[in-house]
Order: sequence, then C-alpha cells, then structure tokens
Amino acid sequence: DVVMTQSPLSLPVTLGQPASISCTSSQRLVYSNGNTYLHWFQQRPGQSPRRLINQVSNRDSGVPDRFSGSGSGTDFTLKISRVEAEDVGIYYCMQGTHWPLATFGQGTRLEIK
Amino acid sequence: QVQLVESGGGLVEPGGSLRLSCAASGFTFSDFYMTWIRQAPGKGPEWLSYISGNSGVTTYADSVKGRFTISRDNAKNSLYLQMDSLRADDTAVYYCTRDPREADYWGQGTLVTVSS
Repeated sequence: DVVMTQSPLSLPVTLGQPASISCTSSQRLVYSNGNTYLHWFQQRPGQSPRRLINQVSNRDSGVPDRFSGSGSGTDFTLKISRVEAEDVGIYYCMQGTHWPLATFGQGTRLEIK
Repeated sequence: QVQLVESGGGLVEPGGSLRLSCAASGFTFSDFYMTWIRQAPGKGPEWLSYISGNSGVTTYADSVKGRFTISRDNAKNSLYLQMDSLRADDTAVYYCTRDPREADYWGQGTLVTVSS
C-alpha cells in the first residue's frame, strides 16, 4: 500500500498569514497515462470532505485562488497565501494513482492563533 | 449539478447487518466508477470499495472483504453497500464518492453506529 505522510499535523496560523502543508508518498504518483492523481481535500467542522485541488495543482470549481498546489514525484505541497477564518478545518492529501487502494494522509488540522 | 445523497445508516448491534444507499443525480451515473469511503470518529477517511460502471469490476479493502458487498442499479441511479457481520470498529460516517481516482464529489454521509 502507498503511505501518505503529511506534516505538520497541527498548524496554528494568524489570520492573513500564509500556511503550507506537506504531503509525501511512499511511491511515485505518476500514472502510466502521465497524470499524477494527487489531490487535496478540506474538511470543515461537521462537513464532508471537499476537494480543493486535483492532480497536484488544478483548483476545483469555486475554490479561492489563495489555495495552490505544487509538487511532483513523491513530494507535494498545499499553500494558502492568506489564511481566512473560513479556512479552519482538516486538510487531507489523497493519492488515486495506485489502485486498488486509494489512500489518504493523516490530516493536518488548521486553526487560527 | 452533481448530487450524491446517502441513506440507510443507524444503530445496529454487533453481528448485525445494514444496507446503505446512495442516490446520484446530475451526471450519467453508468459512465462512472463509484466508491464507498468511511470516516471513523476523529479519524481520516478510509477507502472501502469501488465498482465499475457496468458492475463488472468490484474491489474491497481488506478490512471489509468478505463482509461488505457493493452493488449498483444504473436504472435507478443508485449505489448500495450491504454490510454484514458488523463490528464495533465499523462505526463511522459512510460516504459515497464518484470516481476512485478523483473522488471529485462526496455525499453528506450517513452515520453507522455498531453498539450493543
């Protein structure tokens, strides 16, 4: 199984400041078709996970442009340029490259200082 | 717009059974693989199972293999999860999602509690 490791697990951030979350996979995530199925999800308190970033760096519809994703191979990053109060929640990376078992990171809890 | 609505959760005793349903709308259901993912209290999501568009391919995580069965009815735009021999560690919110590689849409989830 592919193991996804996130850091940090807890991320206190001051409003208006940037934030960054790292995700490392135990195997390279490039699929045979050239795509890299590494996605980022946000889960606000009491809500379902919502996909923010797909295939490393593509923002999903309606996602503010303060969210960005980058990386390649086994190392990936989610960045928030200026944290807002509505960004509080848990962020997960997920790989969909290696079937049959898609796997998630442990989650990073973002809170406001 | 794409909508996924789960139902069928509830309280069940250890060893019991439940059948979850997911009603899909807003897309051509039969064109997509569908999945079930669960999230235990305070834990991250755990992928459980997926099924191909024509039901020809099904796969399960080791944690539920032999106890859970995924199925679908394309005429009704519905996905199902039959859960047998339930255990306390199956307690979780269960989500249906579209496309196991992308997980682009999730339902609101249905809570399953296994307890005596």
